[in-house]
Amino acid sequence: EAQVTQNPRYLITVTGKKLTVTCSQNMNHEYMSWYRQDPGLGLRQIYYSMNVEVTDKGDVPEGYKVSRKEKRNFPLILESPSPNQTSLYFCASSSGGGYTEAFFGQGTRLTVV
Amino acid sequence: DQQVKQNSPSLSVQEGRISILNCDYTNSMFDYFLWYKKYPAEGPTFLISISSIKDKNEDGRFTVFLNKSAKHLSLHIVPSQPGDSAVYFCAASAGGNTDKLIFGTGTRLQVFP
Repeated sequence: EAQVTQNPRYLITVTGKKLTVTCSQNMNHEYMSWYRQDPGLGLRQIYYSMNVEVTDKGDVPEGYKVSRKEKRNFPLILESPSPNQTSLYFCASSSGGGYTEAFFGQGTRLTVV
Repeated sequence: DQQVKQNSPSLSVQEGRISILNCDYTNSMFDYFLWYKKYPAEGPTFLISISSIKDKNEDGRFTVFLNKSAKHLSLHIVPSQPGDSAVYFCAASAGGNTDKLIFGTGTRLQVFP
């Protein structure tokens, strides 16, 4: 089954404690992205990757890091989480970037206290 | 500055009637537009898209209209069904070899019997 898998689904952490949210896709897609969803703000892109070792900033990259060492994986790293990073995060992949449909994971609800 | 706007946070429609969801954009460089549907506790799923070289695209009950001069697009659902109740996001892409997508804030559609 074609899917994008995020882990964990729920996470509560404390300010400043480094964390990683993993994302994996089994569709051999070249493009992968991270988004955050906040009330009244919709979905905002954090980072995207066009291929292995190729990443670029989205609209809200501050406080986040990503890496793309393998085609299937695109982890999101919060080196020093802060309460304003409390949000619902989605990973997505697509075969052709902005011109093709993206497949989204089920989301990770992160709370930073 | 919000480049993609969905000015109606919510819409309520009776089953069997037409649902019209609207989206406005400001960036004339956008050349591809997509609609996604999101149910609670799930990731967004692709619904329909349109290229800027077209003014209409139809897929079953779903039709997207694009008015480039007005920088406006709309999604029509006919007939509306209770299963269509979800949050709908429009998204815009400037294409090229990137995965950069700008989403609107979403419209919550409720279809009642």
